[in-house]
Amino acid sequence: KAGVTQTPRYLIKTRGQQVTLSCSPISGHRSVSWYQQTPGQGLQFLFEYFSETQRNKGNFPGRFSGRQFSNSRSEMNVSTLELGDSALYLCASKIAGGYNEQFFGPGTRLTVL
Amino acid sequence: GQQVMQIPQYQHVQEGEDFTTYCNSSTTLSNIQWYKQRPGGHPVFLIQLVKSGEVKKQKRLTFQFGEAKKNSSLHITATQTTDVGTYFCAGPDFTGNQFYFGTGTSLTVIP
Repeated sequence: KAGVTQTPRYLIKTRGQQVTLSCSPISGHRSVSWYQQTPGQGLQFLFEYFSETQRNKGNFPGRFSGRQFSNSRSEMNVSTLELGDSALYLCASKIAGGYNEQFFGPGTRLTVL
Repeated sequence: GQQVMQIPQYQHVQEGEDFTTYCNSSTTLSNIQWYKQRPGGHPVFLIQLVKSGEVKKQKRLTFQFGEAKKNSSLHITATQTTDVGTYFCAGPDFTGNQFYFGTGTSLTVIP
């Protein structure tokens, strides 16, 4: 099976812009979670989607949003970018909800100038 | 808010030495997972522990889940250069609404 794919792999934006990141889960996986990884804050949970519905949400401002499509692909959007949004954004998929093995994608490296 | 701390933050060992990382949560976890992230890579699932006091082994790796389900450890026997990376513990909070990663332990193995 193909692994989790994320596009784009690298992105450079300027403050105030918005960005959309995409994640394609492993075939058959219905749950997609998003994480932000920075040297200072580590790995932080953004949100989880399951069957097109947001199940859980981390402690991030409303500028961070997401959605999931009927084919389980997910997108994450960040509006009004700030310098502090520079990070590696990781997507992880799993078969279903609940606490089981997550498969991570390679991530999108976002740099905000 | 809930915190999941790991110690040590960094560990350098000679190849062949043992290594242990400890994970401590401020609240009870329903289960705990361990991930390994190689430099420049993404986290890769290693194992999940669910029961209080559970111990699981994978070749040279031994994982423990504390009796109170608030701490866990990962022990590597006779480290190899392929063990290099950052090891994270992770788990859901008591509400099940959020998933927390530990602060991670970066392991360097000196050949």
